[in-house]
Amino acid sequence: AQSVTQLDSQVPVFEEAPVELRCNYSSSVSVYLFWYVQYPNQGLQLLLKYLSGSTLVESINGFEAEFNKSQTSFHLRKPSVHISDTAEYFCAVSHSGNTGKLIFGQGTTLQVKP
Amino acid sequence: DSGVTQTPKHLITATGQRVTLRCSPRSGDLSVYWYQQSLDQGLQFLIQYYNGEERAKGNILERFSAQQFPDLHSELNLSSLELGDSALYFCASSVGTEPNSPLHFGNGTRLTVT
Repeated sequence: AQSVTQLDSQVPVFEEAPVELRCNYSSSVSVYLFWYVQYPNQGLQLLLKYLSGSTLVESINGFEAEFNKSQTSFHLRKPSVHISDTAEYFCAVSHSGNTGKLIFGQGTTLQVKP
Repeated sequence: DSGVTQTPKHLITATGQRVTLRCSPRSGDLSVYWYQQSLDQGLQFLIQYYNGEERAKGNILERFSAQQFPDLHSELNLSSLELGDSALYFCASSVGTEPNSPLHFGNGTRLTVT
């Protein structure tokens, strides 16, 4: 069975500092990986996705994630965070043969402090 | 705006009651998914419909049921409500059932059972 583990429930960081949100997955077949962001009182928005090809994927707002098959990880990074990045971040996995549903991790709250 | 519409935004009801949550998917999307988000359980997949047919089932209680109508909107029915059913319920949609298609989420319905 698939599972996703987000290793940190909360990550406090100062503005303009780099950040890494960690995600590990478990699956015995080919996977597709996603990061979603949830701002307060809103739904989840897709941040970026890994489907195939280059293991480094980027979002339009400066986040990037690297798929590491040997370590079964898909960590999310940003070199310099802004106050507006404060939100909850969810890692999710799907796999070949799946119907399309996503399995989510428990989420990581990123708190950017001035 | 994801294009997924959920109503109502908030629902307050008493234990033992029954409620219906409604979801309209993005235009062109045939798959609808329901998720429950709570503090202790995180984001849990409940059920998926594709073009009117149930496609996948997750941790959905027997007191809960769902359906997708010919116009593709979906309803989640929760009955014999308990305090523990208080949560944020999300609907998401995707084009089909491909495992590499991202899901698009609505803003959720916050259910409070008193």
